[in-house]
Amino acid sequence: QKEVEQDPGPLSVPEGAIVSLNCTYSNSAFQYFMWYRQYSRKGPELLMYTYSSGNKEDGRFTAQVDKSSKYISLFIRDSQPSDSATYLCAMSARNDYKLSFGAGTTVTVRA
Amino acid sequence: GAVVSQHPSWVICKSGTSVKIECRSLDFQATTMFWYRQFPKQSLMLMATSNEGSKATYEQGVEKDKFLINHASLTLSTLTVTSAHPEDSSFYICSARKIAGPADTQYFGPGTRLTVL
Repeated sequence: QKEVEQDPGPLSVPEGAIVSLNCTYSNSAFQYFMWYRQYSRKGPELLMYTYSSGNKEDGRFTAQVDKSSKYISLFIRDSQPSDSATYLCAMSARNDYKLSFGAGTTVTVRA
Repeated sequence: GAVVSQHPSWVICKSGTSVKIECRSLDFQATTMFWYRQFPKQSLMLMATSNEGSKATYEQGVEKDKFLINHASLTLSTLTVTSAHPEDSSFYICSARKIAGPADTQYFGPGTRLTVL
């Protein structure tokens, strides 16, 4: 069993729809949770960073963390074709800066 | 946010030659940088952790004599692929660790595509 599970998709939605992405994890020591967006042939770009359970909102993006269920989510509202990319969840434990990544979910937003 | 650059963005070389890739944190100091390798449609695979002023720590299965890492300053780490072969062709991405208050995360460079002929 992988430490971080993420459905690779692909996920295709029409423009304006809400994109819902999630990851589950098994290591209860994980304290820091991140979502990265990666366009084809580019490096990952940090979208959201959280270090506690609950919700965090930034523009059209909302990240949720539920440590009791070992489950994190990313929601993208009013999706745009420019949101088409691969979204990677990543997490790390306190005092262990190595990131554990999900497989990445490929999202296509259709115009 | 934070900005990390990589140079070159792509390189093509002949088998047997060495290639150096630079990773720079442009607007913050990074005592720790990381080197990843990514194959098509796969997630990132950590190769090594680069620590400023000390030896790099390599992940299991990564040949340290083939992938030389130097972290000479708080803003620069280099990866040298020695005696490159076609199987070394890949997308190499670096990241830099930034600690700001309670936040401790990594910012990634744009990647370097290496093609070995």
